[in-house]
This record gives sequence, structure tokens and C-alpha cells, in this order.
Amino acid sequence: QQPVQSPQAVILREGEDAVINCSSSKALYSVHWYRQKHGEAPVFLMILLKGGEQKGHEKISASFNEKKQQSSLYLTASQLSYSGTYFCGTDEWGANNLFFGTGTRLTVIP
Amino acid sequence: NAGVTQTPKFRILKIGQSMTLQCTQDMNHNYMYWYRQDPGMGLKLIYYSVGAGITDKGEVPNGYNVSRSTTEDFPLRLELAAPSQTSVYFCATSSGSGYEQYFGPGTRLTVT
Repeated sequence: QQPVQSPQAVILREGEDAVINCSSSKALYSVHWYRQKHGEAPVFLMILLKGGEQKGHEKISASFNEKKQQSSLYLTASQLSYSGTYFCGTDEWGANNLFFGTGTRLTVIP
Repeated sequence: NAGVTQTPKFRILKIGQSMTLQCTQDMNHNYMYWYRQDPGMGLKLIYYSVGAGITDKGEVPNGYNVSRSTTEDFPLRLELAAPSQTSVYFCATSSGSGYEQYFGPGTRLTVT
């Protein structure tokens, strides 16, 4: 089942923070986060496997709630290079077959 | 290492024509995937493979076929192209369950 991703779009000034949410109606095996710039392929950011897990990647981090149904991506002190569309991909059975959300378009302006 | 390569980059097909999208990887990954991405939308899984000789349907398999005779190659076949198959097609690989997927650069297909 396709996860619900929110917000659909967000505009930030450099240095501001953003949170992107990804929700499923059922418990998940894992959640993947990817960033895609216009005209390019998605690029992996991080994967969360355990309930309650939190992971960081420079100024981008993510959490996976205890019930393993919701994940959030946190972008802090945003930079111009953070602009792009962020997708969560959910794995329901551990087969690594992902259902992707419809994406969150993030625009960072000077 | 080239990673994941896809050919062609662009293609225009007439309705009813057939074609094969090529995907090759040099990462020695067992898992390979084909996704399509419609404008402004997320990716949808067409077919996947967990190893040579093993393939299975994803979310939107109708109108497509795949084969996996080697670890490196995972071609996607479109038979009787339809306008609804106009999309960007991405091939991806993974070393297994719980690991990231690496995407190829994509093939932009237009069916008119």
C-alpha cells in the first residue's frame, strides 16, 4: 500500500528547518528515504529498520516510531543543495519491494 | 565501476510498437527492480528479481515482461506500446533485503 507523505511541498529560506512525514496503515519492515533532483535518479539518504530508531546523516536525520508505521525526515539548517523532491519508500514484508509516497517538493531559497 | 547503466536514455515509440529497455549493473547485486515514474508522482514497482532466473510481478506489471538470465542484466520488454506507458523508467539494484537501492539514470519513454 502506498504510504501517505506530507507535506506535498515546502519552501524554506536557507538555515530554516523542515520535517517531512511518511505514514502507513500497517506495521512496516523498513522505511527508506530518497532525494531526487529534477531530471535525475533518486539518491539514497537512509534506511530505518527498527521501531524507535533514529538516524542522522550530516544535518539530515530520520526517525521510525515504535509501532513502525510512521517515519519522519528532519532537515536542519537547510542549504540550497537540499532542494529537491523527497520520497519515502516503505517495505511491508522484508522483500525490499518498496511502495513510494508521492513525494515532498522542497525548495530552499537564499 | 559504472554502477547501474540504462539504455536508451530517450525513446519515442508509436502505439503498438515494442521495445526492450536495457539495465546492466556491475555491483554484483542479486536484487534488481524496474520502476516507472509518471510526471509529478512517486515510483511504482513494475517487476523485480532476487537473482538470476527468478522474477516476480510488482505493483503495475501489466503490459511489461522481464527476464533475468544473468546477475548483471535485467531487461524490461514492452509489448504493444500504449500512451499510458509514457513515463520515465528506472532500474535499481540492491544487495538484499534491508539495504539501499541504487538507481540507474533512467529512460524517458514517450508513446504517441
